[in-house]
Amino acid sequence: AQSVTQLDSHVSVSEGTPVLLRCNYSSSYSPSLFWYVQHPNKGLQLLLKYTSAATLVKGINGFEAEFKKSETSFHLTKPSAHMSDAAEYFCVVTKGDSWGKLQFGAGTQVVVTP
Amino acid sequence: KAGVTQTPRYLIKTRGQQVTLSCSPISGHRSVSWYQQTPGQGLQFLFEYFSETQRNKGNFPGRFSGRQFSNSRSEMNVSTLELGDSALYLCASSPTGSGLWNTGELFFGEGSRLTVL
Repeated sequence: AQSVTQLDSHVSVSEGTPVLLRCNYSSSYSPSLFWYVQHPNKGLQLLLKYTSAATLVKGINGFEAEFKKSETSFHLTKPSAHMSDAAEYFCVVTKGDSWGKLQFGAGTQVVVTP
Repeated sequence: KAGVTQTPRYLIKTRGQQVTLSCSPISGHRSVSWYQQTPGQGLQFLFEYFSETQRNKGNFPGRFSGRQFSNSRSEMNVSTLELGDSALYLCASSPTGSGLWNTGELFFGEGSRLTVL
């Protein structure tokens, strides 16, 4: 079985300050992990993915995440938040042999204040 | 390259009716997955189709069904609608669904928002 837990349902940051979104996973095998973002009334867009290569993964729009097996974590960070980062973020896990079946976390709503 | 197209974008039905939602994947993509998104349950996997065959299925009742056509377009159907079926239904496509050639990225459409009254 596999699952992800996003530790914060809401995160509020000021523009220009760092963003940290926390995700812990549970998996009985080597997982593939992703972060997706959903802007209001839009579909989901892939930010970055970890598939057992480098543990520090760089994604789009300045986001990055670090896979820590010992802590079963895959936290998402960005050094400096932009107003356009306001959205909902989902941590996702899947088995490598079935990409179409994703297990989503509950999501973290990010608010960016001027 | 056109993205994933879902139709209709919005629809309103009453309890007991049925609904069919359509998804056109990105050209060349052979895998189509469906997800239900609600405020209470979040994003839940419904089913995945690859080359007209259902490859994975989530934990939804039999009222939820789907199919995929030879051109990779997919439809999902919900019969005997209940109030709890009100949700955003998202379709996603990927090149192969699995294997060495797939990056693991799913490309999502903007969804079909279903309201059941």
